[in-house]
Amino acid sequence: GDSVTQMEGPVTLSEEAFLTINCTYTATGYPSLFWYVQYPGEGLQLLLKATKADDKGSNKGFEATYRKETTSFHLEKGSVQVSDSAVYFCALSRLDSSYKLIFGSGTRLLVRP
Amino acid sequence: KAGVTQTPRYLIKTRGQQVTLSCSPISGHRSVSWYQQTPGQGLQFLFEYFSETQRNKGNFPGRFSGRQFSNSRSEMNVSTLELGDSALYLCASSLGNSDGSSEQFFGPGTRLTVL
Repeated sequence: GDSVTQMEGPVTLSEEAFLTINCTYTATGYPSLFWYVQYPGEGLQLLLKATKADDKGSNKGFEATYRKETTSFHLEKGSVQVSDSAVYFCALSRLDSSYKLIFGSGTRLLVRP
Repeated sequence: KAGVTQTPRYLIKTRGQQVTLSCSPISGHRSVSWYQQTPGQGLQFLFEYFSETQRNKGNFPGRFSGRQFSNSRSEMNVSTLELGDSALYLCASSLGNSDGSSEQFFGPGTRLTVL
């Protein structure tokens, strides 16, 4: 079945460092790919998405490119801030009526001043 | 506009009891999905409702059930609670377009603790 694998955390960075969180997926066909962020005590917020191969999703300085050949959707940011500290989830969904999201295990990011 | 609302935010129950959680979607949204989040299993899909009908169901035992009302508000019920049901339960609402393209918006969750 479909699955998502993302790198184990926590990831600890200094402010202004470069961020990469790896995400790979297993799925037949062409799923849509997402990054969600969860701040302490809150629900999930959609950070960015991509719906087809080679699409680049971007938002708030974060970017991820849908790579069909490597089945990857790595999250990157050029310069992280303390306020980016949160848990990041990679997810996939099929473009059908189920609205079922399959999530990775989450990666906690801690940014130190 | 108001976001997704979940009530209550926190619940403590004992084994064997049952519990009902509520989710009010964003106005105009007709789809509500439920997820269970635990440290061990992560985020897992429970079920999705659209226009009062269950459209999809995850791999959970029959103790987990849900329903949706005509105003799109949804409830989920867990009967005969087990310790392993302790989790954060999240709901998400969307317009629910049949091509799966509608963005899902998550509520803050209900934290259920089973003692």
